[in-house]
Amino acid sequence: AQSVAQPEDQVNVAEGNPLTVKCTYSVSGNPYLFWYVQYPNRGLQFLLKYITGDNLVKGSYGFEAEFNKSQTSFHLKKPSALVSDSALYFCAVRERPMNRDDKIIFGKGTRLHILP
Amino acid sequence: KAGVTQTPRYLIKTRGQQVTLSCSPISGHRSVSWYQQTPGQGLQFLFEYFSETQRNKGNFPGRFSGRQFSNSRSEMNVSTLELGDSALYLCASSDPARNTGELFFGEGSRLTVL
Repeated sequence: AQSVAQPEDQVNVAEGNPLTVKCTYSVSGNPYLFWYVQYPNRGLQFLLKYITGDNLVKGSYGFEAEFNKSQTSFHLKKPSALVSDSALYFCAVRERPMNRDDKIIFGKGTRLHILP
Repeated sequence: KAGVTQTPRYLIKTRGQQVTLSCSPISGHRSVSWYQQTPGQGLQFLFEYFSETQRNKGNFPGRFSGRQFSNSRSEMNVSTLELGDSALYLCASSDPARNTGELFFGEGSRLTVL
């Protein structure tokens, strides 16, 4: 069965510093991997995805994520944090190729606080 | 393209009542998924519909049900509401033809059960 782990409930980073939000996954085959962001009282917004190819994926708002197959990780990164990056971040996985009974599984979320 | 639209955005019910939430997917998207979000449990998968058929179901009691119409709009219903049903209910649509599984979410319907 698929699973996603986000080991940190909260991450605090000073503005201007690099940030990392961790994610590890477990699937029986090859994964599709996603990061989503949620601002207060809003739905989830898609940030980026890994399908195949280059292990470093670039997404919206300057975020990027690195797929590491040997460590089964897909950590979210940004070189220089902004206060406006403060939000709840979700990692998600889906096994590929997609089967009928397949679905996207989300981690519990990591709350990112960027300190001015 | 208009995004995923969920109605109502906010609602308050009392225990024992029932509620119906509506979701209009992005035009052309035939798959609609529903998730329940609570502070303690995170995002829990409820069900997924494709072409009016339930394709997948999460581990929720039978009080939670849904359906999808021929225009891909979807509704979910919760009967005999309990306090623990208070949550943000998120709908997401996707285009299975793209075969990447990326979901597009609505703003959610926040249900409070008193």
